[in-house]
Amino acid sequence: GQNIDQPTEMTATEGAIVQINCTYQTSGFNGLFWYQQHAGEAPTFLSYNVLDGLEEKGRFSSFLSRSKGYSYLLLKELQMKDSASYLCAVRPPGGTALIFGKGTTLSVSS
Amino acid sequence: EPEVTQTPSHQVTQMGQEVILRCVPISNHLYFYWYRQILGQKVEFLVSFYNNEISEKSEIFDDQFSVERPDGSNFTLKIRSTKLEDSAMYFCASSGAGGEEKLFFGSGTQLSVL
Repeated sequence: GQNIDQPTEMTATEGAIVQINCTYQTSGFNGLFWYQQHAGEAPTFLSYNVLDGLEEKGRFSSFLSRSKGYSYLLLKELQMKDSASYLCAVRPPGGTALIFGKGTTLSVSS
Repeated sequence: EPEVTQTPSHQVTQMGQEVILRCVPISNHLYFYWYRQILGQKVEFLVSFYNNEISEKSEIFDDQFSVERPDGSNFTLKIRSTKLEDSAMYFCASSGAGGEEKLFFGSGTQLSVL
């Protein structure tokens, strides 16, 4: 089975940097995804990691350590519109579906 | 940018009634999914569909649920006899052929069972 843990809530101020952690225990592993979900909306793709290391995409970066079962999403130069839930998801081996964690609700204030 | 479309956006039904939720996946995608999200809870996987058959399903996807691709564009989720606890946002998603392909989600159908 899969067990994915993320902090429930985080707060930060505009212009700051925030790191959202995700740990997972799975029976196998075939990639880790981060999605953003604004309230009442669909999840939208942010990043994908399958190998160890950092993937950078503009203001957002994601890191993966497979040996530690650990990932983080780093958001730089925070903006008010970044207030949303950030969902960590794992793709178990042998399939294409994603299994999501409970998500971290980030509140950005001015 | 291509998108997954879902209809209706809201559906209200009485307990015990059948509902069909509809989705049009992105046209060149091969894998289709249904997820649900109960208010305030996590996005839960229900089922994936490939090559006209179910490829994976979760424990939630019991005999009350079925999926179908009735033509070349639509993908449907049927709930045979709705229960109060089926009230949730139901998301359809699709992805391309590669194992690393990301899932694209539709905007969801909010199902309310009274």
